[in-house]
This record gives sequence, structure tokens and C-alpha cells, in this order.
Amino acid sequence: QKEVEQNSGPLSVPEGAIASLNCTYSDRGSQSFFWYRQYSGKSPELIMFIYSNGDKEDGRFTAQLNKASQYVSLLIRDSQPSDSATYLCAVKENTGFQKLVFGTGTRLLVSP
Amino acid sequence: EAQVTQNPRYLITVTGKKLTVTCSQNMNHEYMSWYRQDPGLGLRQIYYSMNVEVTDKGDVPEGYKVSRKEKRNFPLILESPSPNQTSLYFCASSSTTGARGYTFGSGTRLTVV
Repeated sequence: QKEVEQNSGPLSVPEGAIASLNCTYSDRGSQSFFWYRQYSGKSPELIMFIYSNGDKEDGRFTAQLNKASQYVSLLIRDSQPSDSATYLCAVKENTGFQKLVFGTGTRLLVSP
Repeated sequence: EAQVTQNPRYLITVTGKKLTVTCSQNMNHEYMSWYRQDPGLGLRQIYYSMNVEVTDKGDVPEGYKVSRKEKRNFPLILESPSPNQTSLYFCASSSTTGARGYTFGSGTRLTVV
């Protein structure tokens, strides 16, 4: 079973700060990486996806991928209390199927 | 609106009473999947389907059944529910390429007493 590891948190940051969320994965052949945001009791919502090494920016969110280190991260700039949620890292297995393997998530708390 | 629709949102049932959770998507996605989410264990895949009449087990299939008779529907069947199946369930779908990940349904919170 391929693994995706995340620190469960909570990660606490003040409003306006940068939140940095990290994820490591075990399948070196993985090609596609996703970040989901999940509010308590709600369904996961896709925030970002990244396929290539380097950074990908979308508004306040930046995804970073380092395949050599098997490491993917999500930066949230100017964090807001509404960003308080659990962030799930997901990795698509290199099997040709669409199976995503999810980490257990990092809980982010943004204090006003 | 593109969406995955799950029903019911909440369900309380008794041990052994068969139940079905429905899932329907309107995006013409080939791939559909069921996950359960438990505290500390994250999302675990129960079953998935690559297309009509093509289904396969995920990581935790015991106690569950699925069928895919139509492309848009992928119901989850618990023929004899047990308390250890109390969980939050999500249906998800994606295109064949999976390029944009999954779209999730709103979830079904199941309690088996």
C-alpha cells in the first residue's frame, strides 16, 4: 500500500501569516498531486493540483513539488480565519487507474 | 451545475438491516469510487468503478457491495450493517484521465446501532 504522510497538527497561525503544510509520499513513480480542503463534517474540496517539479500559484495558494525528495507542500499566504480546516494531500498512484491515496490531513487553525 | 449527489445525508440504522446509499453524478465521468472516513484513519477506498459493469475492490471492501449498471449511478450497499461500519461515507467521481482529481459528494453520515 502506497503511503502519504502528513502531520496531523493542529498547525496554528495568526491571521495574515503564511501557513505551510507538508506532505511526503512513498511511491516514487507518482505523477499527480492534489491538495483538498475539508471543513468539519463536509466533503473535501479541491484547491490545487500539481504535476511538475517547482511551484504553482493560484491566488493565495502555492503548491510546491519536489519529486526527488518525494515531497509536496501547500503554502497559504495572508491566512484568514476562514482557512481554518483540515487539508488533505492526495497522490495519484502510478497504476494507470484513477486511484488517489490520501493522507490523514493536517488541521489548520488561523486565529484572528 | 456539475455535481455528485449522495443520499441520504444522515442515516441511523440497526445492525443487520440492509441499506443502500445512492450516488449519482452528472459530469459523464467514467470513474467513480466510494470512500469511508474515520478519525485518525483518513479516507479509505471501499470500491471503485472504471466504467459501466466494471467494479473492483478498494482497500476496505469487507461488508460492502456496489453495482454500476448506469454510468451516472454507483450505489453502495450494506447487506448486513454492523456497528464498525459507522462512519462518514463519500462518493467521488473523475474523468478517465483524472487530471483534475475527484469531485466528491456531500457525504453520508451512517450510524449503525
